[in-house]
Amino acid sequence: DAMVIQNPRYQVTQFGKPVTLSCSQTLNHNVMYWYQQKSSQAPKLLFHYYDKDFNNEADTPDNFQSRRPNTSFCFLDIRSPGLGDAAMYLCATSRDVVGNEQFFGPGTRLTVL
Amino acid sequence: AQSVSQHNHHVILSEAASLELGCNYSYGGTVNLFWYVQYPGQHLQLLLKYFSGDPLVKGIKGFEAEFIKSKFSFNLRKPSVQWSDTAEYFCAVNVLEYGNKLVFGAGTILRVKS
Repeated sequence: DAMVIQNPRYQVTQFGKPVTLSCSQTLNHNVMYWYQQKSSQAPKLLFHYYDKDFNNEADTPDNFQSRRPNTSFCFLDIRSPGLGDAAMYLCATSRDVVGNEQFFGPGTRLTVL
Repeated sequence: AQSVSQHNHHVILSEAASLELGCNYSYGGTVNLFWYVQYPGQHLQLLLKYFSGDPLVKGIKGFEAEFIKSKFSFNLRKPSVQWSDTAEYFCAVNVLEYGNKLVFGAGTILRVKS
């Protein structure tokens, strides 16, 4: 089955210790997204890639970076995690940037100690 | 800024009861509308979507939603819920002039008692 895969499902890091979350897709979609979902809140878009073009949301902290080395993979790097960065991180894909359904991965739950 | 409001954060129903979950959005331009469902321990899945045409859209598992443009609403309905509908439901809006960015509501947790 074509799908969006996120690894790991659970990640624990220490305050200030860089962490990388991984997302891969077998859908061959052009667009990949990263959302942050804090407890009891709506998912919030951090940024997305359309092919190799990176699009950052205006209110995404500089602490969050992303890489997309190829069509299939996209990484979320948190350079210096703070306690407030503990959340579920969702990866999603869509075929194109306009008017397309997004397909979501299972998420990675990040704990910051 | 665009926003999406879901009226109830928690809903508890008995099996066979009818369901209506409210969703309102704040943008006046052209929008696409979605309902996603997240079953316990699983990822977000698309329940149904509205892009254009008939404002009453039917989705999977007997769900439907009605787009009322004048009310900026996209309420989700099901005539008779089942225990397996226990999940969290998210309304989301995609404003076309901002590309494919989804703005989500805060979610409604539905618990169906058997």
